[in-house]
Amino acid sequence: EPEVTQTPSHQVTQMGQEVILRCVPISNHLYFYWYRQILGQKVEFLVSFYNNEISEKSEIFDDQFSVERPDGSNFTLKIRSTKLEDSAMYFCASSVVTGVTEAFFGQGTRLTVV
Amino acid sequence: GQQLNQSPQSMFIQEGEDVSMNCTSSSIFNTWLWYKQDPGEGPVLLIALYKAGELTSNGRLTAQFGITRKDSFLNISASIPSDVGIYFCAGHPPREYGNKLVFGAGTILRVKS
Repeated sequence: EPEVTQTPSHQVTQMGQEVILRCVPISNHLYFYWYRQILGQKVEFLVSFYNNEISEKSEIFDDQFSVERPDGSNFTLKIRSTKLEDSAMYFCASSVVTGVTEAFFGQGTRLTVV
Repeated sequence: GQQLNQSPQSMFIQEGEDVSMNCTSSSIFNTWLWYKQDPGEGPVLLIALYKAGELTSNGRLTAQFGITRKDSFLNISASIPSDVGIYFCAGHPPREYGNKLVFGAGTILRVKS
């Protein structure tokens, strides 16, 4: 069964360092998303991406964040200069279309900023 | 903005009991989705609802999309230990509010054998 895959599963980084979280969405999906879940809290939307550009972003997704689809299969989230409060589970998701169909989530990358 | 209020916050039930949880909102949603999350894992889709009034089952799970489009419930019948986890409702707001999924805060389910 097709699935969204994310790497790494766990990333520890020092405050101020750059991190890149990687995702391979389901192959025939067109919409890609990043969500964040701080420990014990609900899943929060960060950004959606379609047709090689950001289609929507939340207030969390500030200038420290960027997304890219560098090739036909990968979708990455970069945090330029990590802060302690960036520590969270980051989930990638993809869907065939947006707004009316289900999104499928990857297993997440646990980011720990120390 | 669009927000989902999910209740109860947590439940601790006896194996074999039925479970019910729900989500409400002051604004309408176009779709409702129910996800389950195990510790350290991503949300896994359980049921998707696309039309107001729709009632859908998936094994022991039943969910309904409220007729007003402002609420949804999820029922689990005859709970078993592997039902333990966090259950999230999620919804797509109308297109003018963007194309993101909005999540509820989750219901933590614990099952006592």
